[in-house]
Amino acid sequence: GAGVSQSPSNKVTEKGKDVELRCDPISGHTALYWYRQSLGQGLEFLIYFQGNSAPDKSGLPSDRFSAERTGGSVSTLTIQRTQQEDSAVYLCASSPLAGGTQYFGPGTRLTVL
Amino acid sequence: QKEVEQNSGPLSVPEGAIASLNCTYSDRGSQSFFWYRQYSGKSPELIMSIYSNGDKEDGRFTAQLNKASQYVSLLIRDSQPSDSATYLCAVNVVGSGGSNYKLTFGKGTLLTVNP
Repeated sequence: GAGVSQSPSNKVTEKGKDVELRCDPISGHTALYWYRQSLGQGLEFLIYFQGNSAPDKSGLPSDRFSAERTGGSVSTLTIQRTQQEDSAVYLCASSPLAGGTQYFGPGTRLTVL
Repeated sequence: QKEVEQNSGPLSVPEGAIASLNCTYSDRGSQSFFWYRQYSGKSPELIMSIYSNGDKEDGRFTAQLNKASQYVSLLIRDSQPSDSATYLCAVNVVGSGGSNYKLTFGKGTLLTVNP
């Protein structure tokens, strides 16, 4: 079946602009996670969704970052007033149940000039 | 802070050899353990999951878990150049109230298999 999809695959933006990243999880997966991976670094947890609710937003680095999930499916991660330090690969993963195997999308490479 | 530790490498092995990748974790309550492979410029892909003490084999890959020692490893037999990648260890973390949705990832070990 179809895996996790993310769009866009690449995004170049100017400092101060807002960006929106999209994740389409595997059908039926209730758990959805966003991570950030900077060059040569590990995976940094951002936010976890169970259905439409986000019980854990503890990894969001600042109030410029927000995320939502609608219909228990597609999720969007929004970064407002982007900064150069926001440049990274943003990865989305979904899982059929909380704490289970996570399946990753291909990621969105964000470059803030 | 609940942590997952891996040697960053690089670990270099000749083609056909056994590659051994190690991971330790700090949360004694962890129940689920995963190994992911990440090629350069790509996203992580699941290699194996393990939940019980002992060995679990899948083709050329064997995962080993020792909960008493808080240690999980991945062995790759007959290593191939195509196995060259970063290997990430992931462990579920038991949070407040017994929640266990979160995986903590190690920083990964870079494996290079030389032809």
